[in-house]
Formats: sequence, C-alpha cells, structure tokens
Amino acid sequence: GAGVSQSPSNKVTEKGKDVELRCDPISGHTALYWYRQRLGQGLEFLIYFQGNSAPDKSGLPSDRFSAERTGESVSTLTIQRTQQEDSAVYLCASSYYRGNEQFFGPGTRLTVL
Amino acid sequence: DQQVKQNSPSLSVQEGRISILNCDYTNSMFDYFLWYKKYPAEGPTFLISISSIKDKNEDGRFTVFLNKSAKHLSLHIVPSQPGDSAVYFCAASDLAGGSQGNLIFGKGTKLSVKP
Repeated sequence: GAGVSQSPSNKVTEKGKDVELRCDPISGHTALYWYRQRLGQGLEFLIYFQGNSAPDKSGLPSDRFSAERTGESVSTLTIQRTQQEDSAVYLCASSYYRGNEQFFGPGTRLTVL
Repeated sequence: DQQVKQNSPSLSVQEGRISILNCDYTNSMFDYFLWYKKYPAEGPTFLISISSIKDKNEDGRFTVFLNKSAKHLSLHIVPSQPGDSAVYFCAASDLAGGSQGNLIFGKGTKLSVKP
C-alpha cells in the first residue's frame, strides 16, 4: 500500500520568501508529526496532530512556522520569511495512533539561499 | 541539552560479525524506545522497539537491550550484512507521562558493513 508521501522533494528558495511543504499520511492514520533534520543533527520534533484535537505546537522554533491539517488527511507546513537556518530536511510521519510506530515520508530538502 | 545521545557518529564492521550501536538517555520518564534505520534520500524506517517494562526485545537478526538503571540501550545486529549499512537513529518517548508520542531522536550512528 501507499506510504507517507511528501512534496516537493526539493525546494530552493531565497531568504525572506514563504514556502509551503505538503504531507500525505497513510490512510487511516490518525496521528501526524512533522520533524526536521538539520545538517549533522538528529531529527527535531516540530508539531503533532491527532484527529481533530488541538495540535501540539511545542516544537515549532518560531512564529514563522505554522502547520495545518484537515481532519485525518493532508497536512501543510508553512515557513514564512525563510531564513538560512531554516535549511534542513523536513520529514513528516504518521501513525495509527499516538505511541504506535511512526512511518516516515521521504522528506523535503529545503535550501534557503 | 540533548536528551538522547548517540556518542559514536560512525561504526565500521566486517560482514558476518556483530554490530553494536549504543544510545544513552537522560530523561528517566522515557518509557518507550525505538530504533530507526535511514538510507540516504529516504525517510527513516522503523526497525525495532522496546518498552521500559522489558530489558530485551528480539526480532530476527536485531536485538535491542535496555538497561534502565544506566539509562542505556543498545542495538545488536548479528550477523551484519552489507545491506545493513545505513544511519541508525535511537529515539525515545514518554507515553505514560502523557506525551503525544512525539519522538526524541539521537543524532544517529552511521554503520558501514564491509564485505
């Protein structure tokens, strides 16, 4: 069956521009997570969605970052006024419910020039 | 301040021998631990997990050991195969404490298995 998909796979943008990253979770998975991995670092939690509950935004690094998810479907991560330190691979993961093993997408590599 | 530490950035092992990847954590509230494997240009894939009520979990060539008193876990791969060459991430979660299940990851250890 289809896994988690993300688009675009690569995004190069200029400092100050806004970017939008998309995640399609596995069908039926109620939990969706966004992580990022900066060069030489581990994966860093950003935000978590569980069904229609209020998202856990505790990992978002600044108010330039936001994310939305409609029900149990697609999620978009938006970064406004991008900075060079935002350059990273942004990974989306989904699981059937919180605490279950998370299935990751291939990631979006964001480069901010 | 890192809560999950993988102190060896890389490990090289001969095919057929045992690979031992180590992970230390600082948060005593962590109660669920996972290992993920990541190939270049792909997302991490789940490998094996262990709950804090156990000290060992085995799945084929992969065994995870948990030492709660030392706040240490390790992944053993035996026998190692060239296809095991990848970056291995240790991750932890505090489920009983009400965490949403978001994982705290280490920085990863790059395993190279030489034929």
